[in-house]
Amino acid sequence: SSELTQDPAVSVALGQTVRITCQGDSLRDYSANWYQQKPGQAPVLVIYDKDNLPSGIPDRFSGSSSGNTASLTITGAQAEDEADYYCNSRDSSDNHVLFGGGTKLTVL
Amino acid sequence: EVQLVESGGGLVQPGGSLRLSCTVSGFTFSNYAMGWVRQAPGKGLEWVSSISGSGRSTYYAKSVKGRFTISRDNSKNTLYLQMNSLRAEDTAIYYCAKDSPDPVVVVIWIFDSWGQGTLVTVSS
Repeated sequence: SSELTQDPAVSVALGQTVRITCQGDSLRDYSANWYQQKPGQAPVLVIYDKDNLPSGIPDRFSGSSSGNTASLTITGAQAEDEADYYCNSRDSSDNHVLFGGGTKLTVL
Repeated sequence: EVQLVESGGGLVQPGGSLRLSCTVSGFTFSNYAMGWVRQAPGKGLEWVSSISGSGRSTYYAKSVKGRFTISRDNSKNTLYLQMNSLRAEDTAIYYCAKDSPDPVVVVIWIFDSWGQGTLVTVSS
């Protein structure tokens, strides 16, 4: 079956730009969505359908995609952006859904 | 304001059963597909099951197919997950989630609002 691969951990200096990536064959056919999860809290959708920003999400978050890789970019990372980030997309092998393993973002 | 509140979690022995509920408010429930996503302790997110707005179409992860049943009562604004033949590996926080920012009754796998989750522990 398909899978989505994320780097386990990424760090960024306060105020700098960071890109978190998600790789998988399904991303050639379907768009990615991105979720932010802080410790002890439920996930929050931060980007959907590749590059759409949900209401209430700061515009320093953006999404993009190329080939089999989707990216979440945070431009001017803030301390409150420190969290786990998960991608998901439809699974082209069975038309269900996949989640990536998550990336822990540390803001230095 | 969209709200989703899960209930029904707890401690259950292997082989036992549990029914989770998710009561929602702040949106027209029948216009949206819904899903369950779980997270084992210290692990990532795993999709469990989804259901269309009408309830006619259901979907299951391979790991729970044949053991779990998703359903909904649109008159009560409530989503359910009946879990049978529970195993230790089903131990997790179970989140219910609204599918799609827009009123699309079919499942499109965009979980735009989440409840706070309910903990299910399977242990003897």
